[in-house]
Amino acid sequence: TQLLEQSPQFLSIQEGENLTVYCNSSSVFSSLQWYRQEPGEGPVLLVTVVTGGEVKKLKRLTFQFGDARKDSSLHITAAQPGDTGLYLCAGARNTDKLIFGTGTRLQVFP
Amino acid sequence: NAGVTQTPKFQVLKTGQSMTLQCAQDMNHEYMSWYRQDPGMGLRLIHYSVGAGITDQGEVPNGYNVSRSTTEDFPLRLLSAAPSQTSVYFCASTRQRLPGYEQYFGPGTRLTVT
Repeated sequence: TQLLEQSPQFLSIQEGENLTVYCNSSSVFSSLQWYRQEPGEGPVLLVTVVTGGEVKKLKRLTFQFGDARKDSSLHITAAQPGDTGLYLCAGARNTDKLIFGTGTRLQVFP
Repeated sequence: NAGVTQTPKFQVLKTGQSMTLQCAQDMNHEYMSWYRQDPGMGLRLIHYSVGAGITDQGEVPNGYNVSRSTTEDFPLRLLSAAPSQTSVYFCASTRQRLPGYEQYFGPGTRLTVT
């Protein structure tokens, strides 16, 4: 059973467009992380959100944690080819285990 | 600072063969874990360790063994490889237990079982 579902699974857009990726669950998480993974490499942490309703910005990327701490979104403004990659959300539930989402593969064309 | 290193980068095994995937970190992290990554399924936790001498099972532990004799090393052993174990394997470490602490991932091992 996949506890964290991401949508869309694939996204191909032109440079300059905006996009939003969603990470949804029926379970409550104590914190949620977003990672980006490039081909042939391991995931790299982008951000951690811990408070319901929290919004964090990282340059053109905006991350939001849902009020009920069951979902999160990642919004990219004016996407660039360098944003291309696999985006993964991951939730922690006060255990030693991190649950990863299904992933969203983003391709940004120049 | 090497971070998390994994060897080999690629491996092909025949069904029934055994092998060990190596993982080492030089950040003095207590917490280490092994994941497998399959298309459309994100990363799934195989085994993890909260310190030397302590290991526990994750979501998909069957067919894999681990040990943690030192803080630095966390090898993953495939006892009798099966085609269902074809995947990309990632080792990760973190400074403290979850929640909220950054996991540092190795570059991965791409395993094919024929």
